[in-house]
Amino acid sequence: AQSVTQLGSHVSVSEGALVLLRCNYSSSVPPYLFWYVQYPNQGLQLLLKYTSAATLVKGINGFEAEFKKSETSFHLTKPSAHMRDAAEYFCAVKGAQKLVFGQGTRLTINP
Amino acid sequence: EAGVAQSPRYKIIEKRQSVAFWCNPISGHATLYWYQQILGQGPKLLIQFQNNGVVDDSQLPKDRFSAERLKGVDSTLKIQPAKLEDSAVYLCASSSIAGGPLGETQYFGPGTRLLVL
Repeated sequence: AQSVTQLGSHVSVSEGALVLLRCNYSSSVPPYLFWYVQYPNQGLQLLLKYTSAATLVKGINGFEAEFKKSETSFHLTKPSAHMRDAAEYFCAVKGAQKLVFGQGTRLTINP
Repeated sequence: EAGVAQSPRYKIIEKRQSVAFWCNPISGHATLYWYQQILGQGPKLLIQFQNNGVVDDSQLPKDRFSAERLKGVDSTLKIQPAKLEDSAVYLCASSSIAGGPLGETQYFGPGTRLLVL
């Protein structure tokens, strides 16, 4: 079975500051890992995914994430936050079966 | 390329009533998923179809929820009778096996927001 823990249900940063959203996973098989973003009243949009190729994955809108097997982590980062980054972010893991999502982290950007 | 379409976008019903949601996946996507997203939580898989066959419905409350995917394209999710705890956003997603069976990307629709009073 697999599971995801997102540390911090709410993260607030200033515009232009570093964004760091934390995700730790548990999986009994080599995992595939995903980050999705959800804007208000919209569905989920894929930011990036790790599928056992390069451990540093670059996604859309300037986001990237690094797979660290030793730490069972897949943290999402962006060097400089924009107001438009304000949204809910979900980390998800897929092992042998279904996609399992974390609880989500709401990102707020302060002007 | 058109995305995943869902309707209605919003629905308000009273408990014990029935309700149905419709989903049209991305053209050519063989796999279709229904998720339930309760406020403040991540989406939870209810049912997964591969073409018109069910792959996983282990978390579908079968005493009140049902889903079908006739002809392997559109899908309908029904709740009968609804309970207060069914208030949530119901998301439909689809994927293609082109990305491989494990690493495939799921594309989500805008969801249907259900409020049960």
